[in-house]
Amino acid sequence: DGGITQSPKYLFRKEGQNVTLSCEQNLNHDAMYWYRQDPGQGLRLIYYSQIVNDFQKGDIAEGYSVSREKKESFPLTVTSAQKNPTAFYLCASSMQGPANQPQHFGDGTRLSIL
Amino acid sequence: QKEVEQNSGPLSVPEGAIASLNCTYSDRGSQSFFWYRQYSGKSPELIMFIYSNGDKEDGRFTAQLNKASQYVSLLIRDSQPSDSATYLCAVNLLSGSARQLTFGSGTQLTVLP
Repeated sequence: DGGITQSPKYLFRKEGQNVTLSCEQNLNHDAMYWYRQDPGQGLRLIYYSQIVNDFQKGDIAEGYSVSREKKESFPLTVTSAQKNPTAFYLCASSMQGPANQPQHFGDGTRLSIL
Repeated sequence: QKEVEQNSGPLSVPEGAIASLNCTYSDRGSQSFFWYRQYSGKSPELIMFIYSNGDKEDGRFTAQLNKASQYVSLLIRDSQPSDSATYLCAVNLLSGSARQLTFGSGTQLTVLP
């Protein structure tokens, strides 16, 4: 089945630790995105990528980093510089980016601080 | 002013009624509009998208777009308890020099049996 796979489903971070969230898609989509959702809030864009080896900052990129070495994969690293990382992280993809095509979401990763 | 604004609700309707969800946006140049449904604790699921003024129907769902008034709405006919969820409106807004999809904070819908 085609889709977007995020892992892990739950993640706990210790103070000063970097953690990496995985996102893989087999939809052959060119564009991929990372969003953050806080309780009762809409989604806020962290980073997006329209092609391999290229990505752009979204509205809240500080404290996060990404890479896009393969079309299928777009991992997100939450660095120790992100002081309030507790949130629901959502990865999405679309045929083309960044805003005219429907975006489809993975199941998300819930990150908490230990 | 929020760029994409939705009533947070909660909006309650009886089973079988029509639920009407509204969304306004700030950028007159926006061209793509999306409605997502998000169940509690789950990720958003695309319901509909609309690009042209007027109505677009898909089963029990109708999206309505009025670019002159800068609003987009979602009607759910014959509402079912399984429609109870948060509905997110998303619009492609100009951010700096590029367009990006911007989400509203969502409207919580409860369908009462």
